[in-house]
Amino acid sequence: DTAVSQTPKYLVTQMGNDKSIKCEQNLGHDTMYWYKQDSKKFLKIMFSYNNKELIINETVPNRFSPKSPDKAHLNLHINSLELGDSAVYFCASSLKIPGDETQYFGPGTRLLVL
Amino acid sequence: GDSVTQMEGPVTLSEEAFLTINCTYTATGYPSLFWYVQYPGEGLQLLLKATKADDKGSNKGFEATYRKETTSFHLEKGSVQVSDSAVYFCALKIIQGAQKLVFGQGTRLTINP
Repeated sequence: DTAVSQTPKYLVTQMGNDKSIKCEQNLGHDTMYWYKQDSKKFLKIMFSYNNKELIINETVPNRFSPKSPDKAHLNLHINSLELGDSAVYFCASSLKIPGDETQYFGPGTRLLVL
Repeated sequence: GDSVTQMEGPVTLSEEAFLTINCTYTATGYPSLFWYVQYPGEGLQLLLKATKADDKGSNKGFEATYRKETTSFHLEKGSVQVSDSAVYFCALKIIQGAQKLVFGQGTRLTINP
């Protein structure tokens, strides 16, 4: 059973398009995250949701809008895609238990904007 | 601010060699520390973690000890295998209203037979 899954795995699109990436976790976690990994492999957090509420927003452009319909899902919608959005996007989840908040990552979505 | 610095890669070793990947951090307070591994074409997997000073995390022959005095969490393995070829990320967890991971830049490791 996949713990944290993302769809699609690959996404190739034109500049200016709008696209969505979906994330689901079946671990019973209450906190979910989106991270961006650039071409140099550098990983940076974008958003975090706890119980469907936004709790971290790391100065990400307004074109990026996360949506959490329930605790098990956190989707990422990107408007007006730009070349610089090309990256690998990772979803992650964790349980808010003090002392054991290990984050578990999905396989990533490789986005290429042409 | 909080940050993690890893040794520059790429690192290339022969099978059965000893591995050290250095990791140092800057943080207020006492963060939890992690090593994640990313195999080619895959997502990140937790390799090991330590939550307080002098803790040693270990998994799959890898070890790292949380050293508060040197603010370090170096990853070691006594005898590497070809299957250990991957990118390794050191990370710290900080809590500023909510927890988040701050990653180092990653170290690409290649093991030759």
